[in-house]
Amino acid sequence: GPKVLQIPSHQIIDMGQMVTLNCDPVSNHLYFYWYKQILGQQMEFLVNFYNGKVMEKSKLFKDQFSVERPDGSYFTLKIQPTALEDSAVYFCASSSTVSNERLFFGHGTKLSVL
Amino acid sequence: QQKVQQSPESLIVPEGAMTSLNCTFSDSASQYFAWYRQHSGKAPKALMSIFSNGEKEEGRFTIHLNKASLHFSLHIRDSQPSDSALYLCAVRRGSALGRLHFGAGTQLIVIP
Repeated sequence: GPKVLQIPSHQIIDMGQMVTLNCDPVSNHLYFYWYKQILGQQMEFLVNFYNGKVMEKSKLFKDQFSVERPDGSYFTLKIQPTALEDSAVYFCASSSTVSNERLFFGHGTKLSVL
Repeated sequence: QQKVQQSPESLIVPEGAMTSLNCTFSDSASQYFAWYRQHSGKAPKALMSIFSNGEKEEGRFTIHLNKASLHFSLHIRDSQPSDSALYLCAVRRGSALGRLHFGAGTQLIVIP
């Protein structure tokens, strides 16, 4: 079936550095999402993105976070600067429409901030 | 803020048994209810969804929704070892542009 690819699977960085998480969504999908999961807790919505714009974001989407999808390439989540509490697994998802609520998720990127 | 809770946290059943997983939500304006399944180290994958009260069956899986009780459930008939996974329930308000609220999950183990 359709797959969402996330790169890298694991990223280790020092606090204060910048990190970019990459997501290759399903090719004909138009809506893109990032979710955050801290170890042992539930997945929490961060942001969704459509037509080059952030449509909705949660309180977890701090000012240090940004998303973009330049020229139909990777959908990226950038954190600059990183903090210790940013350590989590970040899941990317995509869907073809908003009304079709089936989200296709990637395997996640585990971010470890030291 | 929507609260989504799942029970039980974990469940061990023998192969062939009926498995029942529960999900409660707090926002009575919720309009979309879904179950996702996540095998270890894999991506969460949508299983089934429902919009209106009642039941929906797909193969061995049945989803049941009772909006008045703020509760929905997933029932797996003739459970198989391949069903062993983390099951996540998800809820959305009508206007939330795909913003799903997930539960923490039920870890299901089906023993051969």
